[in-house]
Amino acid sequence: NAGVTQTPKFRVLKTGQSMTLLCAQDMNHEYMYWYRQDPGMGLRLIHYSVGEGTTAKGEVPDGYNVSRLKKQNFLLGLESAAPSQTSVYFCASSYGKHSYEQYFGPGTRLTVT
Amino acid sequence: GNSVTQMEGPVTLSEEAFLTINCTYTATGYPSLFWYVQYPGEGLQLLLKATKADDKGSNKGFEATYRKETTSFHLEKGSVQVSDSAVYFCALWGGGTSYGKLTFGQGTILTVHP
Repeated sequence: NAGVTQTPKFRVLKTGQSMTLLCAQDMNHEYMYWYRQDPGMGLRLIHYSVGEGTTAKGEVPDGYNVSRLKKQNFLLGLESAAPSQTSVYFCASSYGKHSYEQYFGPGTRLTVT
Repeated sequence: GNSVTQMEGPVTLSEEAFLTINCTYTATGYPSLFWYVQYPGEGLQLLLKATKADDKGSNKGFEATYRKETTSFHLEKGSVQVSDSAVYFCALWGGGTSYGKLTFGQGTILTVHP
C-alpha cells in the first residue's frame, strides 16, 4: 500500500515550457486535490476532483489544468509555465465529501526560470 | 469565506520546553478543526482533530481544544523533543460553500534544539 505518490519529485522548467505532474493513490479514494505551498502562504487549493471524470476549480486555478480520467490518478498540467508557478506542489486524496482527513503525497518541487 | 490565521514563526525552543502555537479561525456554520504536521522532505499528515466545540484533540503528546467562543484552536505540548521539529499547519474543514474542502493557515516552523 503506497498511499499517495507523486512524480516527478523535482523539475526545472524554462518560462513557456509545459509539463504534467502525476498523482496516484491506491486507497480507492473518491476525492483528490492539488495544492501549492509557498512560503508564508500555507497550502492553497488549485483544483480538486470529487470523482472519476469530474474536476473543479479551487482557490488559485489560473494557469493550471487538471484531468481525472481514472479514479486512482489526478494529473496537473502547466501549459505555459511562468516564474510565479515556482512552488512545491502537493497532491492529496480523501474518501469523500464527509471525510475530513486528507492523505498527502511527498510533493513535487518545481522551479521555473 | 473561511480563513485560518496562525501565529507567525519560526519558533525555536530547547528540548523539554513548553510549546504553544496559536490558531484562530473565521468560518460559517460548524467547522471541524485540525492540526497537520509536515516533517522535513515529506507531505502533510494529520496530527489531531476536533469536530465540535469544546472537543479536545490529542496525539503524540500534543493537544488542542476547540474554543468556539474565542474561535481558537491553539496547539500545545508540555515537553518538546528534537524530533518534533517540523512545520505545523492549522486547518479548518467544512462550513458554508467550502464544505468538503480544507482551508489551511500559513504554517509555523518549529525548530527544537538539544
